[in-house]
Amino acid sequence: GQNIDQPTEMTATEGAIVQINCTYQTSGFNGLFWYQQHAGEAPTFLSYNVLDGLEEKGRFSSFLSRSKGYSYLLLKELQMKDSASYLCAVLDSNYQLIWGAGTKLIIKP
Amino acid sequence: IAGITQAPTSQILAAGRRMTLRCTQDMRHNAMYWYRQDLGLGLRLIHYSNTAGTTGKGEVPDGYSVSRANTDDFPLTLASAVPSQTSVYFCASSVEGDFGNEQFFGPGTRLTVL
Repeated sequence: GQNIDQPTEMTATEGAIVQINCTYQTSGFNGLFWYQQHAGEAPTFLSYNVLDGLEEKGRFSSFLSRSKGYSYLLLKELQMKDSASYLCAVLDSNYQLIWGAGTKLIIKP
Repeated sequence: IAGITQAPTSQILAAGRRMTLRCTQDMRHNAMYWYRQDLGLGLRLIHYSNTAGTTGKGEVPDGYSVSRANTDDFPLTLASAVPSQTSVYFCASSVEGDFGNEQFFGPGTRLTVL
């Protein structure tokens, strides 16, 4: 079967750095997405990786290793507004999006 | 209208009743999607449409139907609601329908079936 694994919950301190991991086992791979979802709101797009390596976008970076079936989202200089759930989703060989359950990130002052 | 709108925002429904969740986008996106989100589970695709006039089944289509008469609207109908359909429903759209594009989500409809 197809599976996306993310930690259920993480806690970090304002101003610090946090890494949210995502491992996947899917039938093929055509890209990996990260979305942010604040409580009670809609998911919003953060990043898309299709090649190995690190992509940086401001305070957020996303890394992909296709050989390891692994990605992480790195958040730097954490702000209280970064408290949200972070969803990992993989596009499989049939171009179907497989979503992880999300990681709830709690930022403490 | 800016982006995607959904209606109603929330609804409490008696089991056995028929319900249509509305979704409208003004971005002229070709593809639209309906997901349900349940606690502890990832988003699950119910139905999708790659272009006006076509629809397809997602991961959990049973008990739901959709139509895509035009580019902007993509209503989701529950013919006879059951308690297991209690969930938050998100409509989304993307420029093209190969799922490899960024998806834009509506604000969601919280549905409770009693």
